[in-house]
Amino acid sequence: AQTVTQSQPEMSVQEAETVTLSCTYDTSESDYYLFWYKQPPSRQMILVIRQEAYKQQNATENRFSVNFQKAAKSFSLKISDSQLGDAAMYFCAYRSAYNNDMRFGAGTRLTVKP
Amino acid sequence: GAVVSQHPSRVICKSGTSVKIECRSLDFQATTMFWYRQFPKQSLMLMATSNEGSKATYEQGVEKDKFLINHASLTLSTLTVTSAHPEDSSFYICSAGRQDQPQHFGDGTRLSIL
Repeated sequence: AQTVTQSQPEMSVQEAETVTLSCTYDTSESDYYLFWYKQPPSRQMILVIRQEAYKQQNATENRFSVNFQKAAKSFSLKISDSQLGDAAMYFCAYRSAYNNDMRFGAGTRLTVKP
Repeated sequence: GAVVSQHPSRVICKSGTSVKIECRSLDFQATTMFWYRQFPKQSLMLMATSNEGSKATYEQGVEKDKFLINHASLTLSTLTVTSAHPEDSSFYICSAGRQDQPQHFGDGTRLSIL
């Protein structure tokens, strides 16, 4: 079974600074997708960024980028120029390409200090 | 706009009541939908995979008779919490998506059993 590990229960960053959230996963599959979701206090699940395992290039979405290390099974999220609105729970997620099944990490609560 | 609609957003009811939660995909057909449960300050736990036209696939430890799932059409899955008790109080969230696309999440249902 696939597992997703987020080793940082809480992180804090100063507004306008950069922060990196860690995620590792375990799988024996060769084809899969990785995601970062943001969950603000409203509890909506908002997709931040997506990475296909077969792509070597790291995904980027504006201020959000990932460092995808397939061999190490690592998928960290970097948030640049942090904004107050970035404060939320961030979940790393793995989805198999074979059965659409999605597994989440325990989450990292990000605080942004003004 | 939302591509997955979940209703109701909030339910408060007495112990012993059965509660039905609906999850609709608005602009695509979803042969598979997923139901998650989230306890406060915890991650999303997959409860079951809802399959259109067939029985749902439940995760280990999830009571099939307690959490009834029906996926009668390509755009609607329902989760019924039968004879709900206070320990069933939680945040329930559904998701749907095409095989090669990110999952879209409903806004969730906060269930409180008195």
